[in-house]
Order: sequence, then C-alpha cells, then structure tokens
Amino acid sequence: AQSVTQLGSHVSVSEGALVLLRCNYSSSVPPYLFWYVQYPNQGLQLLLKYTTGATLVKGINGFEAEFKKSETSFHLTKPSAHMSDAAEYFCAVGPRGVSARQLTFGSGTQLTVLP
Amino acid sequence: DTAVSQTPKYLVTQMGNDKSIKCEQNLGHDTMYWYKQDSKKFLKIMFSYNNKELIINETVPNRFSPKSPDKAHLNLHINSLELGDSAVYFCASSQDGVRTGNEKLFFGSGTQLSVL
Repeated sequence: AQSVTQLGSHVSVSEGALVLLRCNYSSSVPPYLFWYVQYPNQGLQLLLKYTTGATLVKGINGFEAEFKKSETSFHLTKPSAHMSDAAEYFCAVGPRGVSARQLTFGSGTQLTVLP
Repeated sequence: DTAVSQTPKYLVTQMGNDKSIKCEQNLGHDTMYWYKQDSKKFLKIMFSYNNKELIINETVPNRFSPKSPDKAHLNLHINSLELGDSAVYFCASSQDGVRTGNEKLFFGSGTQLSVL
C-alpha cells in the first residue's frame, strides 16, 4: 500500500523568494517518487523524478527535490520563485518494478507567486 | 504537434445521457491511461491499456468503458451519466507502463465534464 500527503493545499510566495512544497509518502516497498506540475487548463507535466542513486534530484525550470528516506519525504524546492511558476503541483509515489498505473498522486498544492 | 490530445475540451450534458471522450497520442507509446480529477483536485487512475491488456481500477463503475481501436487511441465511453461523474478527465500515455513503473507520463489537457 502507498499514499502521499502534500502539506498545504495553497502556498503563496513573493517573486524571488524560496519555494518549498512539502510531500510525505508512505510505501511498503522502496518507492519511485515524482513531482508533476499542472498549469491552468493544461495536463500534468513531469518536473522531476527519483528512482535510484543520488537523493537530490534536479528537474526542469530550476526545481529540485531531495529524497529523505528517514523522513519519508520528497520536498520540492526552487531558490527563487518566478511569476511563471504559479501552478498546481502534484507529488506522486509508485512502487518499484510495478506498472506506472500503480502511481498514487497527492491532492496537489496550488502555488501563487506574488509580485 | 500536441503529443497527447483529447476532445472535447468541455462537455456539458444531461443526466442519463451517453457520451464519449476521445484521446490520441502521437508518441508511439505502448500504454495509455484514463485519469479522473475531482473537484478537490484528487487524481485517480481509472484504466490502463497496454497491448490490448486492459487493467481496470476496481472502483470504476461499469458504466465507464474504454475502447482502443489501435495503439494510438484510447477513447472513454460513459453510459447513463450521473451528477457524480462531473470532473476533469485526463488521458495519458507512457512508453512502457507495465515494465518498471518509473516511466514519464504524458498527459492531455483534460476534458471538463459537467453533468446537469
């Protein structure tokens, strides 16, 4: 069994400020972890994913996330927010070696970037 | 060219009607999916389809039926629509969704279904 909890359904930051979106997961087997972003009226796009190896994962648009097994977390960060980062962000977890259809998504965090 | 395209973008219909949503991917992917996103943004998988193998999420009512005429298309047909079916439906595809589980999903832009 697996689940994802995203802390904070809405996060607001000022342009240029640090972005921190929190994701905690539970999984009975070693997981794959993902962050997807959904811009208004669009489908989800993959930002980054953790599979194996380095626990700090870099993605597109300057985002990165760190897999912390001891904390069962996979928080998403960006050093400096841009207006174009305003979107809905989804964390997802999937068990290794199993179909992508087993992916479980969190409930999303709406990021607002203030001028 | 749009990688995963679905039509229509908006669908407004009365309870009890039957409707279809079409999805096409031009990525040459092996696996396609249908997801439902409810009003609280929860995204749940409904179906996955790979090489004619259909995997159905057990919570999906049998009023929903996916139809795949070929590898590039996975349409969603809904019979006897109910108010609770109102949601955004996303089509997605991946290169080989049944092998390792870490494949990147490519999503369509969604179909907003409103049942009145």
